[in-house]
Amino acid sequence: ETGVTQTPRHLVMGMTNKKSLKCEQHLGHNAMYWYKQSAKKPLELMFVYSLEERVENNSVPSRFSPECPNSSHLFLHLHTLQPEDSALYLCASSQDHSPRNEQFFGPGTRLTVL
Amino acid sequence: KNQVEQSPQSLIILEGKNCTLQCNYTVSPFSNLRWYKQDTGRGPVSLTIMTFSENTKSNGRYTATLDADTKQSSLHITASQLSDSASYICVVTTGAAGNKLTFGGGTRVLVKP
Repeated sequence: ETGVTQTPRHLVMGMTNKKSLKCEQHLGHNAMYWYKQSAKKPLELMFVYSLEERVENNSVPSRFSPECPNSSHLFLHLHTLQPEDSALYLCASSQDHSPRNEQFFGPGTRLTVL
Repeated sequence: KNQVEQSPQSLIILEGKNCTLQCNYTVSPFSNLRWYKQDTGRGPVSLTIMTFSENTKSNGRYTATLDADTKQSSLHITASQLSDSASYICVVTTGAAGNKLTFGGGTRVLVKP
C-alpha cells in the first residue's frame, strides 16, 4: 500500500457532465501532483501543489480545474471534457516539490469520456 | 530538448529467464535517474534511484546500471517471475533550475509460464 488513495477508480462520463476526482495521501507529504497517462505515451505532469499552493500548471486546458484544500487532499474537477481526455489520471505525493524526492503514486482513476 | 527513450516498447519472456531494458536520455544537466515499475491498474512504484556517481544499484532481482558519459541506463531482471509482468518506466531528473522530471514511454514486460 503506497499511502496514496484515489477515488473513484473508474469513471465514465459524458462530455456535458461535471465530475471530480479525489486524491488523499496519508504520508505527511507537502507536495501533491496530478498526472495524465494515455496509452503508449509518457506520463504528462498536469499540476503541482506545494503546501496547498499551485506551483506548476503545464498548459492544461481549463476544463481541468485542480483544488488543494489542505496538504493531504487534492481534487481534479472535470467539466465539458472531450473523448481525447480519456486516460488514467494518477495522483502522487512527495516530501516536498523538489523532483529529487521520490514521488509516491496512487492507483489512478481510469476515466472514459463518451 | 530533454528526452528519455526506452527500448524495447514491449517484451515477452519465459518465466525464469533474464531480460534487460534500455533507457537513453538527453537530459542535461543530469541529477538522478529512477526506474519505476507499474503493475496493470496500479500507480508506478520506485525500484531504484541512481545519481551521477553511481554505476550500479540493485533491488532484489532488479539491477540498474548507469553510464553518465553515454547517457544510458539499463534495468536487468534476473530469473523473471510472473509477478514481474508490468510496465517499467525510466524517469530522469534535470539538475537545472526548475528541476524537471522527464518520463520515458515505458517498456511493457510480459512474463509467460
